[in-house]
Amino acid sequence: KAGVTQTPRYLIKTRGQQVTLSCSPISGHRSVSWYQQTPGQGLQFLFEYFSETQRNKGNFPGRFSGRQFSNSRSEMNVSTLELGDSALYLCASSLRSNTEAFFGQGTRLTVV
Amino acid sequence: QKEVEQNSGPLSVPEGAIASLNCTYSDRGSQSFFWYRQYSGKSPELIMSIYSNGDKEDGRFTAQLNKASQYVSLLIRDSQPSDSATYLCAVNRGSTLGRLYFGRGTQLTVWP
Repeated sequence: KAGVTQTPRYLIKTRGQQVTLSCSPISGHRSVSWYQQTPGQGLQFLFEYFSETQRNKGNFPGRFSGRQFSNSRSEMNVSTLELGDSALYLCASSLRSNTEAFFGQGTRLTVV
Repeated sequence: QKEVEQNSGPLSVPEGAIASLNCTYSDRGSQSFFWYRQYSGKSPELIMSIYSNGDKEDGRFTAQLNKASQYVSLLIRDSQPSDSATYLCAVNRGSTLGRLYFGRGTQLTVWP
């Protein structure tokens, strides 16, 4: 059974650019959540999607957005990148809310 | 008060010993509790889930939940050097759907 797949694994962008990250959940999983992990802040919740609807949003600026497609694949977008956006971005999928969540390998974003 | 707090560590135990990791949470309505292991530079890996009071055992791992005390712990028996990692406690509050609240993690080192 394939796990959660995130692409790309690594990205280097310059300030002011935008970036799109992709997440393919485990087959059959309909809930996809995104987290940002930094050494200083730990794991911080970005948003959660279920059946193409955003159900939850963390305390991040509007530059961070996402969407989910009918096949449950999800993308997140960060516009006008700042140096502080450098982080590991993690996607987690679960069958439904309140059940076990499995993480992808993450996308390491470096903003220079 | 933080949503989820873990003993700060780092924790260092000899090979073969029992490692005890602790976590407290603030929302009494929390419903699901998870332990993740994260190796340096990798994504979190789910190792245990627990939903009701008491103990749950899986191999060398035992999760313990006490909802009255808002406390969850993870015991690792016969610790191995390969268990050296950061252990993250995560809580689902139920009311916030699929969102997980994470502690900052406890770094465990098992020395031979």
